Amino acid sequence: GAVVSQHPSWVICKSGTSVKIECRSLDFQATTMFWYRQFPKQSLMLMATSNEGSKATYEQGVEKDKFLINHASLTLSTLTVTSAHPEDSSFYICSARDPRNRIPEAFFGQGTRLTVV
Amino acid sequence: AQSVTQPDIHITVSEGASLELRCNYSYGATPYLFWYVQSPGQGLQLLLKYFSGDTLVQGIKGFEAEFKRSQSSFNLRKPSVHWSDAAEYFCAVGVIVTGGGNKLTFGTGTQLKVEL
Repeated sequence: GAVVSQHPSWVICKSGTSVKIECRSLDFQATTMFWYRQFPKQSLMLMATSNEGSKATYEQGVEKDKFLINHASLTLSTLTVTSAHPEDSSFYICSARDPRNRIPEAFFGQGTRLTVV
Repeated sequence: AQSVTQPDIHITVSEGASLELRCNYSYGATPYLFWYVQSPGQGLQLLLKYFSGDTLVQGIKGFEAEFKRSQSSFNLRKPSVHWSDAAEYFCAVGVIVTGGGNKLTFGTGTQLKVEL
């Protein structure tokens, strides 16, 4: 199946700093990618839809100025958590679909565990 | 908007016993349905998926699920549970958006505990 790679797998940062998470589709091009967040012992919630060459679409309640999404190429979307605070500590995971595949299966990255201290 | 309900937050079964995890969805059209498993501190692993056709779908690790349109359900089953099946299970419904991506809405998850 298609491969989505996410980096880093885990990161620890200090409060007030920014962290960038990368999501790459390795063997296909994706005009759309998705970013989800999962707090401990909770479900995954969609944060935003990343659109290549245009602005991301954010879900209600997600601060677009805090969670900057850039989809500069058809194989790379980045999520930057700006001025991170301990409450931003969470598991972030991206997904994409290979549009060449008739079956609309979403492929997930490995996820990034962010800890803000 | 689509939604997914997993009524059981926690389920405990004995090893070797059968398992059924419930999932109900709400979506106006034919849904794309998925079951994922997540071990502690890990990412998501796809167990199985339903897009169309045969309503009984087989997945990995001996899991199967049955799509029942009349009940808006997609319950996950396994005839004999192994201790290694202990994990969090998520049901999800997918919608294809402009640009071709598959946007998923997840249920709240069911934590499975297996007693030896």
